[in-house]
Amino acid sequence: QKEVEQDPGPLSVPEGAIVSLNCTYSNSAFQYFMWYRQYSRKGPELLMYTYSSGNKEDGRFTAQVDKSSKYISLFIRDSQPSDSATYLCAMSLLSNDYKLSFGAGTTVTVRA
Amino acid sequence: NAGVTQTPKFRILKIGQSMTLQCAQDMNHNYMYWYRQDPGMGLKLIYYSVGAGITDKGEVPNGYNVSRSTTEDFPLRLELAAPSQTSVYFCASRPGLQRENNEQFFGPGTRLTVL
Repeated sequence: QKEVEQDPGPLSVPEGAIVSLNCTYSNSAFQYFMWYRQYSRKGPELLMYTYSSGNKEDGRFTAQVDKSSKYISLFIRDSQPSDSATYLCAMSLLSNDYKLSFGAGTTVTVRA
Repeated sequence: NAGVTQTPKFRILKIGQSMTLQCAQDMNHNYMYWYRQDPGMGLKLIYYSVGAGITDKGEVPNGYNVSRSTTEDFPLRLELAAPSQTSVYFCASRPGLQRENNEQFFGPGTRLTVL
């Protein structure tokens, strides 16, 4: 079993739709939960982060963490063509040299 | 600040050749990491360093070596290139202090093909 599972998609939605992405994980000790966005042929960039359980909202983006279910989600409201990218979930322990465990990434295309 | 820089951007190697992927950061970050990214597989940690002179293996270290003689530079060495090392390689860094978001800053990547 992989430590972090993420459906690689691809996911294609019309402009304005809500995009829903999720990851499951097996290590209950994970404390940091992040979403990175990666445009084609670029390096990943941090999009959202959450420490422990709960919800976090930033503009059109909402990140949710449910530690009891070992499940994290990212929602993109009013999606735009500029949101077309690969979204990678990542998580880490409280210490352990801050190493990140990544999901496979989900490729999202928002159609104009 | 240039952030994290990587050279070269692209490279084609023949089986058995060796090369060094360069990585540098100008943010005075203590921690540096090397990842490889294969299609549909996410990022896998190859090696990492917590400071100059200190390196450690990640999840997939076989076939690679690293060194960290300065805070700024963290080169990745491939000694005997194999087709299985065809991948996109990313270098990343982060500050040493505990931070709420645990963000790593990534370079633009090196696309390597071994034929």
